[in-house]
Amino acid sequence: DTGVSQDPRHKITKRGQNVTFRCDPISEHNRLYWYRQTLGQGPEFLTYFQNEAQLEKSRLLSDRFSAERPKGSFSTLEIQRTEQGDSAMYLCASIQSSGAANEQFFGPGTRLTVL
Amino acid sequence: GNSVTQMEGPVTLSEEAFLTINCTYTATGYPSLFWYVQYPGEGLQLLLKATKADDKGSNKGFEATYRKETTSFHLEKGSVQVSDSAVYFCASIPGYSSASKIIFGSGTRLSIRP
Repeated sequence: DTGVSQDPRHKITKRGQNVTFRCDPISEHNRLYWYRQTLGQGPEFLTYFQNEAQLEKSRLLSDRFSAERPKGSFSTLEIQRTEQGDSAMYLCASIQSSGAANEQFFGPGTRLTVL
Repeated sequence: GNSVTQMEGPVTLSEEAFLTINCTYTATGYPSLFWYVQYPGEGLQLLLKATKADDKGSNKGFEATYRKETTSFHLEKGSVQVSDSAVYFCASIPGYSSASKIIFGSGTRLSIRP
């Protein structure tokens, strides 16, 4: 257990439905990342937050995706009008950005299956 | 741009065999380099890292040396165990801060036979 939790661990939905995932980072970590991992591939960066500010978004993050971190603690990732291509593992990671040698800690992921 | 290319799997070895998983990177500047491991049913864990040329990262019997001249960071272990069966990801972070986004390779699945 890294201290980063994600909920739910698994989500099965029908195409066209909206889904929302939650990530709870390690409490003192100010930076939070979302990555997506498709089958047989490495994780790919989606977006990140420094406290409550969303500072960067990947071109992978279409307008159907939105992420928030309203109080600089937990974060949510919402996918609207899901498509089969959204099926993947969604990973969250957190880190304290002030330490140069610090490590990003990953949550267990939310596995999304879109039918 | 920055990218990481690693040896395709799956790799199957017998217990106590020598392991090498190749990894090369492209980057502007001098990235930090990492190996992450994903055991079955678990999340990603940092295995080892190196932040500058000629640094050697090591952990749990695994080693990797940051080779600037060959832009490589190959993972090695002298004697693998069944418990090493997992997916291994080579990764880089541009620049010095480990708080930047991580660029991952596609992963290499390792299976160790008893």
